[in-house]
Amino acid sequence: DAGVTQSPTHLIKTRGQQVTLRCSPKSGHDTVSWYQQALGQGPQFIFQYYEEEERQRGNFPDRFSGHQFPNYSSELNVNALLLGDSALYLCASSNDEETQYFGPGTRLLVL
Amino acid sequence: KQEVTQIPAALSVPEGENLVLNCSFTDSAIYNLQWFRQDPGKGLTSLLLIQSSQREQTSGRLNASLDKSSGRSTLYIAASQPGDSATYLCAAFYNQGGKLIFGQGTELSVKP
Repeated sequence: DAGVTQSPTHLIKTRGQQVTLRCSPKSGHDTVSWYQQALGQGPQFIFQYYEEEERQRGNFPDRFSGHQFPNYSSELNVNALLLGDSALYLCASSNDEETQYFGPGTRLLVL
Repeated sequence: KQEVTQIPAALSVPEGENLVLNCSFTDSAIYNLQWFRQDPGKGLTSLLLIQSSQREQTSGRLNASLDKSSGRSTLYIAASQPGDSATYLCAAFYNQGGKLIFGQGTELSVKP
């Protein structure tokens, strides 16, 4: 079992650009959640996808959007990047609405 | 507002010491509480999950307790080792299908 995988591992973008991050859930999991972790902070919930629909959303602007595919994998898109979007983006998957398993994260640097 | 707070923000101890990390949450209607470990630049590794109906969970040298009435959880690490050096995060889960609310973490350094 490969667990939760994320790609890419690192990414450098400039302000105003757009970025897409990808996540493949743990085998058997149907729910994917995304979190943003700024340096020195705890992760902050962005949104959660279940059955290809956004089920919950945290306090993030519409520049942050996502998608879930029929195979349960997911994408996080961020438009009009700001310097403050620089962070570690974590994906978590689950199938019992309780225990979430986290991937290694994607480190995004916005210059 | 549902918030999770961790104290202290950083902790340095000599190898072999027993230590306690603290986590507090504002809303006692918790569904479960989870403790994670994070190594620098890495993702999260789940250590222990305590259901709201439980008082504690144990795994090896780790013991986590949960007191819903006081809004507190503690992670006890026995006989600390340099390999325990990492950031420890607690996270509260409030409802089914919901999100995890994280504390800011405690950065632990165990000196040989």
